[in-house]
Amino acid sequence: DADVTQTPRNRITKTGKRIMLECSQTKGHDRMYWYRQDPGLGLRLIYYSFDVKDINKGEISDGYSVSRQAQAKFSLSLESAIPNQTALYFCATSGAAAGNQETQYFGPGTRLLVL
Amino acid sequence: AQRVTQPEKLLSVFKGAPVELKCNYSYSGSPELFWYVQYSRQRLQLLLRHISRESIKGFTADLNKGETSFHLKKPFAQEEDSAMYYCALRGSNYQLIWGAGTKLIIKP
Repeated sequence: DADVTQTPRNRITKTGKRIMLECSQTKGHDRMYWYRQDPGLGLRLIYYSFDVKDINKGEISDGYSVSRQAQAKFSLSLESAIPNQTALYFCATSGAAAGNQETQYFGPGTRLLVL
Repeated sequence: AQRVTQPEKLLSVFKGAPVELKCNYSYSGSPELFWYVQYSRQRLQLLLRHISRESIKGFTADLNKGETSFHLKKPFAQEEDSAMYYCALRGSNYQLIWGAGTKLIIKP
């Protein structure tokens, strides 16, 4: 689903560097999410945003920050990357629906390697 | 505690055989549960949700509150069902809590 895009798709960086992962969506959704995926652990929520002025920490926000520049854009930053942040990062969006049964739509993922 | 457990990391069955992917949850309220699927080289996508009581691609999942389970079933597996399957629970703060996933391999 090309409606949710992530850049870059792959990134190699060094310990201590600051990096930014970007997510854009054309679905018109208010809600956006950042997850990381590690082998055997499923997806874990880093940050989520219900609209431009509403940003919330998820389960594992330490070491990360986010910016919701517009309804369509949600960026994830690693201020000082460390090796255990090596993972696959997913952005997702959803639109409010009756009964909170909204579906989340995922980007293709960004594979990050911190050396 | 709110938790989703998928006990099998890998499940391998022959084409035409029945498939059951297990999902157990821990949640004190009335749960909302989902199955998401990721096919090779495709994005993670919703397969089905319990409240819809739907059958998608031949898969069904029934919520069993007594056993706190939401197992995914299909009577006759097809090769195109090979994928990674994730069970998810909507937590008390309305966010999704994910299981670790089960890789399903359908052998010809």
